[in-house]
Amino acid sequence: LAKTTQPISMDSYEGQEVNITCSHNNIATNDYITWYQQFPSQGPRFIIQGYKTKVTNEVASLFIPADRKSSTLSLPRVSLSDTAVYYCLVGPSPRSNDYKLSFGAGTTVTVRA
Amino acid sequence: KAGVTQTPRYLIKTRGQQVTLSCSPISGHRSVSWYQQTPGQGLQFLFEYFSETQRNKGNFPGRFSGRQFSNSRSEMNVSTLELGDSALYLCASSGGQGVTEAFFGQGTRLTVV
Repeated sequence: LAKTTQPISMDSYEGQEVNITCSHNNIATNDYITWYQQFPSQGPRFIIQGYKTKVTNEVASLFIPADRKSSTLSLPRVSLSDTAVYYCLVGPSPRSNDYKLSFGAGTTVTVRA
Repeated sequence: KAGVTQTPRYLIKTRGQQVTLSCSPISGHRSVSWYQQTPGQGLQFLFEYFSETQRNKGNFPGRFSGRQFSNSRSEMNVSTLELGDSALYLCASSGGQGVTEAFFGQGTRLTVV
């Protein structure tokens, strides 16, 4: 599984856009990039997944450059409730026979009023 | 649609005892994975079951075992408990038609005293 590197923590204010960049230099051809969010004492929650270029859903956007060695999760107009740990994962799709999630340390995002 | 259900939510056990945790996946999901989360080690993959077979395994000692039933429900067992086994144990289900993400339960908080 490709190793990921992301900042340990980030601070922001309500209404701002938060961008978290994750490095994954050894990403394999079949690997997908997935981001999860976790609140204290809860299980992680899927945010977004992509393979290349840009993916957008109602919660976030995911930007993946052509070389796929990094990716950026963008959270628009954050609120206090977006304070959480965000994990960047690289690995096979859940449809794969080699499916398992490898979590790094994650990025603790703190949103202040 | 019901989410992933883990029971019990909290558990206190004594060193040397054994414990069984239960996970009911989302209906239609055939893959169930287990993770251990501790402050020191973060989220670590234990094992994954698919159609009653262990398909993937993490780097945990043999004291950690699991099984999956024909209805996809899964149990995880830890024998000869150690203080270091105190953790949040999370179960995730995936693999329904078109599903590309894992859905986590709220976890079982195990405390070994």
